[in-house]
Amino acid sequence: ETVMTQSPATLSVSPGERATLSCRASRGVTSNLAWYQQKPGQAPRLLIYGASTRASDVPGRFSGSGSGTEFTLTISSLQSEDFAFYYCQQYTTWPLTFGGGTKVEI
Amino acid sequence: QVQLVESGGGVVQPGGSLRISCAASGFTFNTYGMHWVRQAPGKGLEWVVFIEYNGNTKYYGDSVRGRFTISRDSSKSTVYLQMDSLRPDDTAVYFCARTHRSSWGFFDSWGQGTLVTVSS
Repeated sequence: ETVMTQSPATLSVSPGERATLSCRASRGVTSNLAWYQQKPGQAPRLLIYGASTRASDVPGRFSGSGSGTEFTLTISSLQSEDFAFYYCQQYTTWPLTFGGGTKVEI
Repeated sequence: QVQLVESGGGVVQPGGSLRISCAASGFTFNTYGMHWVRQAPGKGLEWVVFIEYNGNTKYYGDSVRGRFTISRDSSKSTVYLQMDSLRPDDTAVYFCARTHRSSWGFFDSWGQGTLVTVSS
């Protein structure tokens, strides 16, 4: 299976700052990479698919980049509602696999 | 709007069985594939199983293959997960999720989840 590794595990930032989250795949997944946001007690929410396409109603401060094995999710100016867990997920090969997550905290 | 509502979770003994359901509304159910994704307490997300829009194709994760069975009923707009030979490490919140229109492989809508606890 394709192992997804996210770093850092925890990212401490202040509101208004830029946050950069990384995701690495153990083998190439082309651009078949999605990012999700999850807040405690809630279901995940799709943010990005195709490595860089924002999902519906996702604010423009969220952007994704990368292809192959290295991917980045950038939040340009953190808002209070952005403090959450973030997961990457590859969908090139079965089984579908998620990264272990990055917690973005104040 | 898209709604996915899971039900049927609960406490079951190791080796036991449970069937959970996901009722869909707000979209044309029989044109979308569906998945189950689970999350153990305090842990990350784990994909479990997929079923194609017409039920013909199914993919299972290694940890559940041979024990879990996915099915769907278009007349009820519902997807099911039959879980047999349950183990303590199956304890998790189980989310159903809809495929995106462009790909089977990622999820654009999620339910709120149902908790399955496997314990004696």
